[in-house]
Amino acid sequence: DMKVTQMPRYLIKRMGENVLLECGQDMSHETMYWYRQDPGLGLQLIYISYDVDSNSEGDIPKGYRVSRKKREHFSLILDSAKTNQTSVYFCASRNREDNQAPLFGEGTRLSVL
Amino acid sequence: KTQVEQSPQSLVVRQGENCVLQCNYSVTPDNHLRWFKQDTGKGLVSLTVLVHENDKTSNGRYSATLDKDAKHSTLHITATLLDDTATYICVVGDRGSALGRLHFGAGTQLIVIP
Repeated sequence: DMKVTQMPRYLIKRMGENVLLECGQDMSHETMYWYRQDPGLGLQLIYISYDVDSNSEGDIPKGYRVSRKKREHFSLILDSAKTNQTSVYFCASRNREDNQAPLFGEGTRLSVL
Repeated sequence: KTQVEQSPQSLVVRQGENCVLQCNYSVTPDNHLRWFKQDTGKGLVSLTVLVHENDKTSNGRYSATLDKDAKHSTLHITATLLDDTATYICVVGDRGSALGRLHFGAGTQLIVIP
């Protein structure tokens, strides 16, 4: 069953704490994405990963970093979280070459107090 | 600058009615356009993709059109059901492969009432 799994689904952190969001996929997709979704805005790309240890900044990378040590796993890290990083974070994956739709996880709702 | 604009922002229809959602974009190049459905608290699920000038697609009660000259797409939902309540998001891809970027609209929130 093709699936993108995000953990945790809900997270509350205090400002200044470190945050780790995890994403896994079982389709051996090369490309994986991290987006954030805020009310009234379209999804914004934080980072894209083309394969293991091949990561590129998206449109809003400041305050975030990523790690991809295995093809099926892509992590988003917030070092010293800020209140303006409160958002819903989505991970997605797709094959690199074809035009199939990216497959999205169900999101992680992060609140930074 | 927002490159994908959707209208209306929200829409309420009665079950059984038809509705039309609009998407205008300025993304260049515009390789393909995809409509997604996002249920509350869930991820995005692809409904349909349009690639060529004047493409028309159909997926059950969902149908979509694309006018690449006008950079405009519509999503038609016929005989709406309560389960159609969701946010519908228009996404324009600037390339056919994952090397390209996806440009997301903010979505149209559709509410179907009994």
